Amino acid sequence: AQRVTQPEKLLSVFKGAPVELKCNYSYSGSPELFWYVQYSRQRLQLLLRHISRESIKGFTADLNKGETSFHLKKPFAQEEDSAMYYCALSPANTGNQFYFGTGTSLTVIP
Amino acid sequence: GAVVSQHPSRVICKSGTSVKIECRSLDFQATTMFWYRQFPKQSLMLMATSNEGSKATYEQGVEKDKFLINHASLTLSTLTVTSAHPEDSSFYICSARDPLRGGRVYEQYFGPGTRLTVT
Repeated sequence: AQRVTQPEKLLSVFKGAPVELKCNYSYSGSPELFWYVQYSRQRLQLLLRHISRESIKGFTADLNKGETSFHLKKPFAQEEDSAMYYCALSPANTGNQFYFGTGTSLTVIP
Repeated sequence: GAVVSQHPSRVICKSGTSVKIECRSLDFQATTMFWYRQFPKQSLMLMATSNEGSKATYEQGVEKDKFLINHASLTLSTLTVTSAHPEDSSFYICSARDPLRGGRVYEQYFGPGTRLTVT
């Protein structure tokens, strides 16, 4: 069975400091990994996906199959980054289901 | 584009009654919709996958007779919580996949959620 773990429920960093939100997963096959973000009073939206290897809003995430991790990083946090972040896994060759981690609430202190 | 709405946004019902939650794709046709449940300060838990014109596929541990899902059209899926109990109180979120945007798993758009409180 698939499982996504985000060990930190709350994370606070100062503006301009680096930030890393941890995500570990367990899945026997080759999953697709994503980061979703939910800003205050807004709906869940896609931030980035591992396949694209892109940088969105300064965030990057590298899939480490050896460590089964997909940590989200940003070198310089901004106040507008304060939000709830969810790591999500989608098993390969399935009906597009997402399995979410418990989420990390990021607060960037001005 | 790609907007998903839910109705109602909040509902309070008495224990033992049934309540229906609607999920609509406003500007696209969604062949597949998903229903999630979110407990306070916890993650979204996938409940079921709803396919237009066929029976929903429920995740392990989700009671299909309690959480009835109907996906009668390409723009509407409904979740009916039958004989609701206080422990059913939760935040229910739907998402819809837009097949015309490539149909990949990440082309999935989330509704704003429905807060259900059972008294």
